[in-house]
Amino acid sequence: SSELTQDPAVSVALGQTVRITCQGDSLRKYYASWYQLKPGQAPLLVMSAKNERPSGIPDRFSGSRSGNTASLTISGAQAEDGADYYCSSGDSSGNYRVFGTGTKVTVL
Amino acid sequence: QVQLQESGPGLVKPSETLSLTCTVSGGSTDYYYWSWIRQPPGKGLEYIGYVFYSGTTNYNPSLKSRVLMSVDPSKRHFSLRLTSVTAADTAVYYCARLVPENYFESSGSGTYWDFDLWGRGTLVTVSS
Repeated sequence: SSELTQDPAVSVALGQTVRITCQGDSLRKYYASWYQLKPGQAPLLVMSAKNERPSGIPDRFSGSRSGNTASLTISGAQAEDGADYYCSSGDSSGNYRVFGTGTKVTVL
Repeated sequence: QVQLQESGPGLVKPSETLSLTCTVSGGSTDYYYWSWIRQPPGKGLEYIGYVFYSGTTNYNPSLKSRVLMSVDPSKRHFSLRLTSVTAADTAVYYCARLVPENYFESSGSGTYWDFDLWGRGTLVTVSS
């Protein structure tokens, strides 16, 4: 079972803001990165663990961290943002990578 | 532009060995960590492990006894072998580049880790 917990699904109206959260005790020590998955496409890093957007990622994506929770916010969601999103960080020992349980984002 | 492409059999029989290769085009395997991640149908992502260009490995403890990863710089590819497979190993298998960056803060130091480049994935089904 994953050590990082995410809400299974969230929906957002076109142009509105949605926040996706990732919770786990290891996040008090380690930083999370975020990935976007769409069917038939290579997964995409949308927010680095350093809280930076890779080249080509729109500035409507932002990240934050507080306590045991990491968050990815999409401000002004677009239709193309509909996808599965996963956080990733270290396990409790920091020796292995783990992924969150994933959140399906639907843009209405 | 560096790209990754997974290749290998799409069907493996139970108890046999799953073997996949990831080809790095447009770049070298040098100086990077190369990883494998899988996603069973209808489920989430699972980290399998990584191999450093020098050959050092790191495997998910839950799979460690069955996993072997290697890198071949001359062929610009890296590989995954998973032994004694069962239906539970049916999944889309992704290869990805894993990039660390050390940081130093007043509260301590550590490493940022990002899977910054992925392949499209390949479905492997375990069935007789």
